[in-house]
Amino acid sequence: AQSVAQPEDQVNVAEGNPLTVKCTYSVSGNPYLFWYVQYPNRGLQFLLKYITGDNLVKGSYGFEAEFNKSQTSFHLKKPSALVSDSALYFCAVRDIFDSSASKIIFGSGTRLSIRP
Amino acid sequence: KAGVTQTPRYLIKTRGQQVTLSCSPISGHRSVSWYQQTPGQGLQFLFEYFSETQRNKGNFPGRFSGRQFSNSRSEMNVSTLELGDSALYLCASSVGPGSNQPQHFGDGTRLSIL
Repeated sequence: AQSVAQPEDQVNVAEGNPLTVKCTYSVSGNPYLFWYVQYPNRGLQFLLKYITGDNLVKGSYGFEAEFNKSQTSFHLKKPSALVSDSALYFCAVRDIFDSSASKIIFGSGTRLSIRP
Repeated sequence: KAGVTQTPRYLIKTRGQQVTLSCSPISGHRSVSWYQQTPGQGLQFLFEYFSETQRNKGNFPGRFSGRQFSNSRSEMNVSTLELGDSALYLCASSVGPGSNQPQHFGDGTRLSIL
């Protein structure tokens, strides 16, 4: 069965510093991996995805994520944090070879807080 | 292109009542999924519909049901409401099941049970 873990409930970073939000996954086959962001009273917004190819994926708002197959990780990163990046971030996975698992599994979310 | 539209945005009900929530997917998207989001349980998958058929179902009681129409619009229904059903209900659409394309979410319906 597929699963995804976000080990940190909250990440605190000073504005201008680099940020990392961690995600690890487990699938029986090869994964599709996604990052989403949620602002208060809004739905989830897609940030970026890994399907195949380059392990470093670039997405919206200056975010990027690195796919590491050996460590089964897909950490979200940004070189210089902004206060406006403060939000709830979700990692998600879909196992592309398991037809019975077509649904996307979401992590528990990590609240990112950027202090001025 | 219009996004995913969920109606109503806010709803207040009392225990024992039933409620129907509506979701209009992005034009051309045929897969619709529903999620329940609460502070304690996070984002939990309810069900997924494609071509008017339920393809996947999460671990929710039978009080939670849904359907999809021929135009891909979807509704979910919760009967005999309980206090614990208070949550943000999110709908997401995608091109199709198993796709490598991301899901697109609506802003949700916030359901409060008194």
